[in-house]
Amino acid sequence: DTGVSQDPRHKITKRGQNVTFRCDPISEHNRLYWYRQTLGQGPEFLTYFQNEAQLEKSRLLSDRFSAERPKGSFSTLEIQRTEQGDSAMYLCASSLGQQGPSYEQYFGPGTRLTVT
Amino acid sequence: GEDVEQSLFLSVREGDSSVINCTYTDSSSTYLYWYKQEPGAGLQLLTYIFSNMDMKQDQRLTVLLNKKDKHLSLRIADTQTGDSAIYFCALGPGRRALTFGSGTRLQVQP
Repeated sequence: DTGVSQDPRHKITKRGQNVTFRCDPISEHNRLYWYRQTLGQGPEFLTYFQNEAQLEKSRLLSDRFSAERPKGSFSTLEIQRTEQGDSAMYLCASSLGQQGPSYEQYFGPGTRLTVT
Repeated sequence: GEDVEQSLFLSVREGDSSVINCTYTDSSSTYLYWYKQEPGAGLQLLTYIFSNMDMKQDQRLTVLLNKKDKHLSLRIADTQTGDSAIYFCALGPGRRALTFGSGTRLQVQP
């Protein structure tokens, strides 16, 4: 399977704990995006990378959130001191990031986080 | 910012056509996308249209874009039970992040 993969698929954690999610993009894609989706809503943009450079962060990405893409391949999203409001589906997407339709973003299956 | 609005729910009978609508406020969007999400799954890219086009057809899918009214629609011909899902429209300048609507749940009745 050459699609976007995410790990874990589900994570249950207690409030105050730290969690880390991993995303492996499609191998030739140099752009990687993180989104958050809450129940009944569309995905909301968190941050994106061009290779290893983090180019944009949304205001949703508080200082408890940090994302990395150290070698321009896989990415991690860490949430420190989780709160119940962090419960959501965290989606990763990747794209070629060249011209025209190659900006199409392909999504992984998501990591569902539940904070108790 | 960009507001993207969709109706919440659409119910059709199997074999009929479905039309899912989307309105938006920011006219600078250059790519407009339709994604499908099945329960518990990620988003599947269905099709997209570039802002200088009025229509795009892709097998059973037809996308119509009315730039004057800032209205995007997705028509699914011969709707099947497997088409039951949530459909999101999304807007982008292409190279940056997408702005999604809140989704339309399509229910196909046999």
